[in-house]
Amino acid sequence: GESVGLHLPTLSVQEGDNSIINCAYSNSASDYFIWYKQESGKGPQFIIDIRSNMDKRQGQRVTVLLNKTVKHLSLQIAATQPGDSAVYFCAGDSMDTGRRALTFGSGTRLQVQP
Amino acid sequence: GVSQNPRHKITKRGQNVTFRCDPISEHNRLYWYRQTLGQGPEFLIYFQGTGAADDSGLPNDRFFAVRPEGSVSTLKIQRTERGDSAVYLCASSSWDSLYGYTFGSGTRLTVV
Repeated sequence: GESVGLHLPTLSVQEGDNSIINCAYSNSASDYFIWYKQESGKGPQFIIDIRSNMDKRQGQRVTVLLNKTVKHLSLQIAATQPGDSAVYFCAGDSMDTGRRALTFGSGTRLQVQP
Repeated sequence: GVSQNPRHKITKRGQNVTFRCDPISEHNRLYWYRQTLGQGPEFLIYFQGTGAADDSGLPNDRFFAVRPEGSVSTLKIQRTERGDSAVYLCASSSWDSLYGYTFGSGTRLTVV
């Protein structure tokens, strides 16, 4: 089916450490994946995206890794800061169903300890 | 950015509610999602211009959305039920960035 889900609901890290947030997806036809950050009381905010023809993409302090073989996506945040505390969602497209909209996973809450 | 109002709405079960979304002016695509506590946003409906390109996410016929002039959109829920309580998110994207969503802050609906 078409679902995007996460392994852990909460991740707690120390400030300055690196964070890794994981996501599994089931739709092998998904061509495009995005990570979003959502702070309390706000809408999701785009972090980084990756297409299925890539296995790695880097942004500012963030890296997304895509393993199509095991249908796994991860978001790595370097030198995690208190401002990174939020809920992180992965999302993928559903082009095989014709739906031109993203399907979101259930999220991981990142807590950064000072 | 994307503006939504009201920010909060408390209504009694059985009442009708209407939410408004003002997208980014140059964006021609508009999306409504629903988010319950601890879950990711769930797709409801997507507009391209004035027409609903995909309304397959609307849970039943109590939910209805329009975008008559291709900009502002309203989402209406008739005869609300407690299970409709959620945050209703609106997002928009431009013609050249299909999934480059900009989300609004959402409308939190509480049905009592």
